[in-house]
Amino acid sequence: DADVTQTPRNRITKTGKRIMLECSQTKGHDRMYWYRQDPGLGLRLIYYSFDVKDINKGEISDGYSVSRQAQAKFSLSLESAIPNQTALYFCATSDVVSPLGQNHEQFFGPGTRLTVL
Amino acid sequence: KNEVEQSPQNLTAQEGEFITINCSYSVGISALHWLQQHPGGGIVSLFMLSSGKKKHGRLIATINIQEKHSSLHITASHPRDSAVYICAVRSPFSGGGADGLTFGKGTHLIIQP
Repeated sequence: DADVTQTPRNRITKTGKRIMLECSQTKGHDRMYWYRQDPGLGLRLIYYSFDVKDINKGEISDGYSVSRQAQAKFSLSLESAIPNQTALYFCATSDVVSPLGQNHEQFFGPGTRLTVL
Repeated sequence: KNEVEQSPQNLTAQEGEFITINCSYSVGISALHWLQQHPGGGIVSLFMLSSGKKKHGRLIATINIQEKHSSLHITASHPRDSAVYICAVRSPFSGGGADGLTFGKGTHLIIQP
């Protein structure tokens, strides 16, 4: 079974609709991230969470909100979807950074392809 | 903010060729990641390095901290290596806290039979 899962995998919706993308992980990691990927651009961070009580905005948080329901679950919401939110969305997890900041791999979910018409 | 540049953006090669993908960044980092994104969209981590060189099978990653440059090499390339290869760096200037990443735009590699 996959360690990081995302639902749905594909979604087509209309402008103005509220959409929730869900991420679950079985890796036991505290840190979870939401990224979006657009053609020709690198992945960009939307929100991140270091534990259930810690939520932080990333580079492009406008138009999005998140909820960390449990250590294993991190949801991304688009309150009122717009066409320029059409993108591939990835959830990722990582373990706590060591004191030396060494080498913490991020584990990615399979992605959710969202189309806003 | 750390700027991450990859080259080339696109690369088409014949099976068996030696492949090199380059990544440069603008400010000091604590670690550099190489990721592979399959045609279906999934992303997997290939390497994470902060100095020197790492090897896994036919893949080799090197980093030169002084020159702020890393390379990913593929020896004896095969069509199944066709994917997008993404460089990402971790630095205090990345978003996402202590282990936030700044990503390059990726190199689209096609290996023809």
